[in-house]
Amino acid sequence: DAMVIQNPRYQVTQFGKPVTLSCSQTLNHNVMYWYQQKSSQAPKLLFHYYDKDFNNEADTPDNFQSRRPNTSFCFLDIRSPGLGDAAMYLCATSRARHGGLSTEAFFGQGTRLTVV
Amino acid sequence: GEDVEQSLFLSVREGDSSVINCTYTDSSSTYLYWYKQEPGAGLQLLTYIFSNMDMKQDQRLTVLLNKKDKHLSLRIADTQTGDSAIYFCAEATYQKVTFGTGTKLQVIP
Repeated sequence: DAMVIQNPRYQVTQFGKPVTLSCSQTLNHNVMYWYQQKSSQAPKLLFHYYDKDFNNEADTPDNFQSRRPNTSFCFLDIRSPGLGDAAMYLCATSRARHGGLSTEAFFGQGTRLTVV
Repeated sequence: GEDVEQSLFLSVREGDSSVINCTYTDSSSTYLYWYKQEPGAGLQLLTYIFSNMDMKQDQRLTVLLNKKDKHLSLRIADTQTGDSAIYFCAEATYQKVTFGTGTKLQVIP
């Protein structure tokens, strides 16, 4: 049974048109991550939520936003997608124990975003 | 620092052992992971090791950790064509998982 589910698997959007990617989890993990992975590169962390606390990476463009309305769901909003934002977007979850040290991260299958 | 480095490519013959290496720089890492990614797919967790361990074996997989040198390796015994994929090491520090650059494993029949 899928534990981290990303929808859709493939998304095509127009240049400059806002797009939202979604992620849901059945693990009840308190940490959720969004990674961007471009072809032949390592996944790059964009931001993560520790419970409701949002943590943005310093080099994540302002064009990328996120929402976490509850424990199970997390959304990635790209306000004005550019051609350079075409990538695989991976959602992951983990459980952070006391002191914030995370256990292993579980990943969804990813959403491949194409910008036309 | 949070750099995690791997060699980009490894080619082995079917039935041989594969050894994929990784170095990291953050001494506060707590867990170190190996993930497998097949073309067009998400990341699959293969195995992980706590930072206070030096070895973990799981069927065909053996993980070795040298904390002093900040070196992690993954050995795959009896490598099969189905093991062809990109392998990422990753380290967990405070609230964060950082990935290496990935090693593409090619298994030659």
